[in-house]
Amino acid sequence: SQKIEQNSEALNIQEGKTATLTCNYTNYSPAYLQWYRQDPGRGPVFLLLIRENEKEKRKERLKVTFDTTLKQSLFHITASQPADSATYLCALETGGGYQKVTFGTGTKLQVIP
Amino acid sequence: GAGVSQSPSNKVTEKGKDVELRCDPISGHTALYWYRQSLGQGLEFLIYFQGNSAPDKSGLPSDRFSAERTGGSVSTLTIQRTQQEDSAVYLCASSLAGLAGLAKNIQYFGAGTRLSVL
Repeated sequence: SQKIEQNSEALNIQEGKTATLTCNYTNYSPAYLQWYRQDPGRGPVFLLLIRENEKEKRKERLKVTFDTTLKQSLFHITASQPADSATYLCALETGGGYQKVTFGTGTKLQVIP
Repeated sequence: GAGVSQSPSNKVTEKGKDVELRCDPISGHTALYWYRQSLGQGLEFLIYFQGNSAPDKSGLPSDRFSAERTGGSVSTLTIQRTQQEDSAVYLCASSLAGLAGLAKNIQYFGAGTRLSVL
């Protein structure tokens, strides 16, 4: 079955720098991959979706890449701000006849002022 | 409503009791998902509804767990004879998509129900 790996250790980064989070998967390449943000005590919030035929997607300060050869997606936040501190989850479409996704365990990002 | 609503937000129960968790999805969303999230862990898929039917119940951990959805809207997750290992946050999500062939499946989550089994 598909295994999704996100760095379980928290990522601490200085304000203004670019944060890069990694999502690796082990088996087949999904039709699409999503990134969500989760704040403490809240449900995840959708950020970006990237399809398998797209190499890169951008939204404001966010950028997602998708490399089906490396079986990896990178999530970048440029000019990071303390308000970006949260846990970021990747989610992969896992087929099964409907649009089911499987979530990774998430990486906690802490932006230090 | 404006977003996915879950109730109660917190539930403390004694081991062996039954609990019911409710999810009110975004109006018009045909797909509904239940997940479980233990402290510091990722989201564990439990069950998926398309309309009132549940084509995928593969994530339900035991026969103590059941869920239903009525009127294509509100869903209830029931846990019978609760155990301490059931303690977690139970999250509900809804989406417009849910059928094969559609490219997007953006899930909108509620704030969750924090279940504590003593």
